[in-house]
Amino acid sequence: SAVISQKPSRDICQRGTSLTIQCQVDSQVTMMFWYRQQPGQSLTLIATANQGSEATYESGFVIDKFPISRPNLTFSTLTVSNMSPEDSSIYLCSAGSQGNYGYTFGSGTRLTVV
Amino acid sequence: AQSVTQLGSHVSVSEGALVLLRCNYSSSVPPYLFWYVQYPNQGLQLLLKYTTGATLVKGINGFEAEFKKSETSFHLTKPSAHMSDAAEYFCAVSAINTGGFKTIFGAGTRLFVKA
Repeated sequence: SAVISQKPSRDICQRGTSLTIQCQVDSQVTMMFWYRQQPGQSLTLIATANQGSEATYESGFVIDKFPISRPNLTFSTLTVSNMSPEDSSIYLCSAGSQGNYGYTFGSGTRLTVV
Repeated sequence: AQSVTQLGSHVSVSEGALVLLRCNYSSSVPPYLFWYVQYPNQGLQLLLKYTTGATLVKGINGFEAEFKKSETSFHLTKPSAHMSDAAEYFCAVSAINTGGFKTIFGAGTRLFVKA
């Protein structure tokens, strides 16, 4: 299965600033996703990162707040924009290919907004 | 649409005892079911998955789960708990529908193992 490198692993950011998280997969994958895991909670899907087109966002998440890029089949970025303390969470990238169910996860980015 | 319910946010067992983590799902189409484990400050690791075929699936670290369609359940078991099994466990369901193929996670169950 694919191996994912996600960075940064953690960051402390000032409110009002933006942070871009990178997700690099060691092989081409058809599907890439971004999740948020708030403290002590489960994973919530933010969006599906589509290669060469705009991401598909879940209810409650918008492109202006969480712009996503996916320029090719091995790389994606998630930006958390105009951050507030409520954005403090772990953000996880997930990837896999159709027909090979059970996606691989990155180790996550632990974001603290102060 | 899919949903997952994990019964019990915390489960405590003694070392060597049976581990049983409960998961019930809802899906309007045939589901794919997964169990993931998350150790502190780490990402998620796939324990096992059910897609089609044999309803009893075996995973890593001695875990197994049985898909019971009539009960819409996919409970995770391990015959003998080890201290290293202490972690957060997530049940998840995926299905292909008009929204594409995406995975929905349960709330998670934290497993404590007592010496």
